[in-house]
Amino acid sequence: EVQLVESGGGLVQPGGSLRLSCAASGFTFSSYWMHWVRQAPGKGLVWVSRINSDGSSTSYADSVKGRFTISRDNAKNTLYLQMNSLRAEDTAVYYCARAFAAYDSSGCVDYWGQGTLVTVSS
Amino acid sequence: DIQMTQSPSTLSASVGDRVTITCRASQSISSWLAWYQQKPGKAPKLLIYKASSLESGVPSRFSGSGSGTEFTLTISSLQPDDFATYYCQQYNSSPFTFGPGTKVDIK
Repeated sequence: EVQLVESGGGLVQPGGSLRLSCAASGFTFSSYWMHWVRQAPGKGLVWVSRINSDGSSTSYADSVKGRFTISRDNAKNTLYLQMNSLRAEDTAVYYCARAFAAYDSSGCVDYWGQGTLVTVSS
Repeated sequence: DIQMTQSPSTLSASVGDRVTITCRASQSISSWLAWYQQKPGKAPKLLIYKASSLESGVPSRFSGSGSGTEFTLTISSLQPDDFATYYCQQYNSSPFTFGPGTKVDIK
């Protein structure tokens, strides 16, 4: 069974940093592109970032470019999102999600984690 | 960036109704469109990919159609479990934008 479990969310002050993790199991993690998608309270879904299967290629939404870094450790079956210079508008539930098919670089995702809440507030 | 719109934003319907949600892209995305269902407090669930392909395990009352810039999600006979918010997403090009969502609630 495919499982994605996020952790690392919490309350952080504006300008602070946080690192999210997503532990994957039930599939060959190293074969899949992975994504982060966020959802502000009461709002819609926003794609944040993606990383290819070996970690050599990444892309970001303009709203987080230069502040967030996606990475992965295939030996640990874990996806990360390092978030720096956090702003109030980054407050959201952050989901990790798996690409629809092995080696698929598109943004279609089939499995999602349960999400982790990040709150940026003083 | 490709902008996605959905209509209506809210839809009130009864069990057994046929429901149609429309999604439009600001430029052609061929058939690179997905539909997701989300219930409160839960992660989204993939329903449809490539505009009209049904994800494994999704009931056949869900169907998708369209190409280019206009797409529809149809629920042929609304069931109690279908009351939720539905999002379309283009994956033709990064950033992979979502529509604002359509909430289907009980009439």
